[in-house]
Amino acid sequence: EAQVTQNPRYLITVTGKKLTVTCSQNMNHEYMSWYRQDPGLGLRQIYYSMNVEVTDKGDVPEGYKVSRKEKRNFPLILESPSPNQTSLYFCASSFGRNNSPLHFGNGTRLTVT
Amino acid sequence: GNSVTQMEGPVTLSEEAFLTINCTYTATGYPSLFWYVQYPGEGLQLLLKATKADDKGSNKGFEATYRKETTSFHLEKGSVQVSDSAVYFCALTHYGGSQGNLIFGKGTKLSVKP
Repeated sequence: EAQVTQNPRYLITVTGKKLTVTCSQNMNHEYMSWYRQDPGLGLRQIYYSMNVEVTDKGDVPEGYKVSRKEKRNFPLILESPSPNQTSLYFCASSFGRNNSPLHFGNGTRLTVT
Repeated sequence: GNSVTQMEGPVTLSEEAFLTINCTYTATGYPSLFWYVQYPGEGLQLLLKATKADDKGSNKGFEATYRKETTSFHLEKGSVQVSDSAVYFCALTHYGGSQGNLIFGKGTKLSVKP
């Protein structure tokens, strides 16, 4: 089944403790992206990657890192999480061409205390 | 810059009612326009799209027409069902970018009562 898989689905952590949210897709997509979803703010793009070893900042990259060492994986790293990073995170992928649909994972709900 | 504005929710309708969710955009160039739907506890799914002026996207009884003159892409459905309860997002591509570089509206929550 074609899918984008994120893990974990839920994560509660404390300020400053490094964490990684994994994202993997099995559709051979070139393009991958991370979004955060917050009430009243909709979805905002954090980082995206057009292909392996190519990443770029989205609208809200501060406090996040990503890597794209393999085509299928695009982990999101929070080196020193803070409470304002409490949010619902989505990974998405596509073939990166006009009109190819974005496929989303089911989300990771992160709480930073 | 590029932006998407959609009507704020929540929208509550009775089953079989007519649905309109307004969406307007600001963009340079010629964006493609999309509607995504998010069911409870799930990620977003593409509902429909339109890639040029006057195109009509349709899927599952939903329709939206790309109106360049009014910079709008309103979502409509003639008869909603309880199963349509979800959050709906209007989105556009960055000019010259892939469809992956989307700008989303803030979402409109729809609740359909039996």
